[in-house]
Amino acid sequence: DAEITQSPRHKITETGRQVTLACHQTWNHNNMFWYRQDLGHGLRLIHYSYGVQDTNKGEVSDGYSVSRSNTEDLPLTLESAASSQTSVYFCASSESGREQQYFGPGTRLTVT
Amino acid sequence: DQQVKQNSPSLSVQEGRISILNCDYTNSMFDYFLWYKKYPAEGPTFLISISSIKDKNEDGRFTVFLNKSAKHLSLHIVPSQPGDSAVYFCAAPYYGGATNKLIFGTGTLLAVQP
Repeated sequence: DAEITQSPRHKITETGRQVTLACHQTWNHNNMFWYRQDLGHGLRLIHYSYGVQDTNKGEVSDGYSVSRSNTEDLPLTLESAASSQTSVYFCASSESGREQQYFGPGTRLTVT
Repeated sequence: DQQVKQNSPSLSVQEGRISILNCDYTNSMFDYFLWYKKYPAEGPTFLISISSIKDKNEDGRFTVFLNKSAKHLSLHIVPSQPGDSAVYFCAAPYYGGATNKLIFGTGTLLAVQP
């Protein structure tokens, strides 16, 4: 069965460190998204990609970057982790922008 | 500017009764809406959607109603079951510019009491 996976599921890191969160989907979807979930804010879009070599900034992109070298993967990098980036991160993919997005299980990141 | 709003952070309902979750939006260009359900430690999963050409869509115990003039939608769950206890997000695809992203509300935590 097709799926979307994220790793690690939990990560604790120190302020200033570079961190990369992995996202892998086997749906063969062109569209991939990264969100963060915070209390009182719901899900907010960080970055998204509509295909290989395409990346776009979302509403809360500062301090984050992504790269898309193949269809299956969209890793999210925190260049220099900050305490404000402590959150739960979700990756998602979809066949089109209008259709439902399929979400991964999430990565809980704590920056100390 | 929160374009999709869920003003009730939480809702508690007795098992067997109706749960009504509400969502308001401000952008009149939105023409499609989705509801997602999220259990703790899991990713959101799609529940039901509605196009703006309809005012109601039903799927089993779940019905979504859309009132375009009021820019309001609601999710009805009848009858509610303890397994429905989760956070519910409403969302709308945003077609402004070159983006087709989903804009999510802040979520409503539903607790169904046995």
